[in-house]
Amino acid sequence: QVQLVQSGAEVKEPGASIKISCKASGYTFTNYYMNWVRQAPGQGLEWMGGINPSGTTTLYAQKLQGRVTITRDTSTSTLYMELSSLRSEDTAVYYCARDHCDYWGQGTQVTVSS
Amino acid sequence: DIVMTQSPLSLPVTLGQPASISCRSGQSLVYSDGDSYLTWFQQKPGQSPRRLIYKVSNRDSGVPDRFSGSGSGTDFTLKISRVEAEDVGVYYCMQDRQWPYTFGQGTKLEIK
Repeated sequence: QVQLVQSGAEVKEPGASIKISCKASGYTFTNYYMNWVRQAPGQGLEWMGGINPSGTTTLYAQKLQGRVTITRDTSTSTLYMELSSLRSEDTAVYYCARDHCDYWGQGTQVTVSS
Repeated sequence: DIVMTQSPLSLPVTLGQPASISCRSGQSLVYSDGDSYLTWFQQKPGQSPRRLIYKVSNRDSGVPDRFSGSGSGTDFTLKISRVEAEDVGVYYCMQDRQWPYTFGQGTKLEIK
């Protein structure tokens, strides 16, 4: 069965960077696009960016351009999302989601606080 | 970016009664393959979103048949034929015709 297992919760200070992982299993990782979506406390869903199956093409939400990097390691079937220059507004649950968002990870809570 | 607008944002429903959520896109969601890429999710508190409906009207595996999706072009609807207690949560529409994917604001369904 398809599973997306994300890394654990993190607390970071403003200005720091974070890198979250999402390990895929139960399907052929290299056949599918992947996405990152986040959700601030009490808010809706926000698409952050995506990556193509080979990892050669990415697209990021305009508001995050320059701060977010999405990569994938096909040897370990793992997706990554790195977000730099963290600010309080980045406090959210971060999700990975496959392709047309048919499967989601369990979410990673990121708290940005001094 | 394609703007997605949902209504209502709050939906109190009596158990056993029908419910309907509307979603409008800022432009057509028809892709070059002829399909419209409109997806519906359900999110319960503390859980990841769960996909219910894809390409307007296709139910995902395990989704009860009381959930149905319809629409075309820029206007879409999610219907629940008879609301059950387990249906409480927030429902989102999303266009996945093109990146960036964009979501509606969410509709909170509660039991009256």
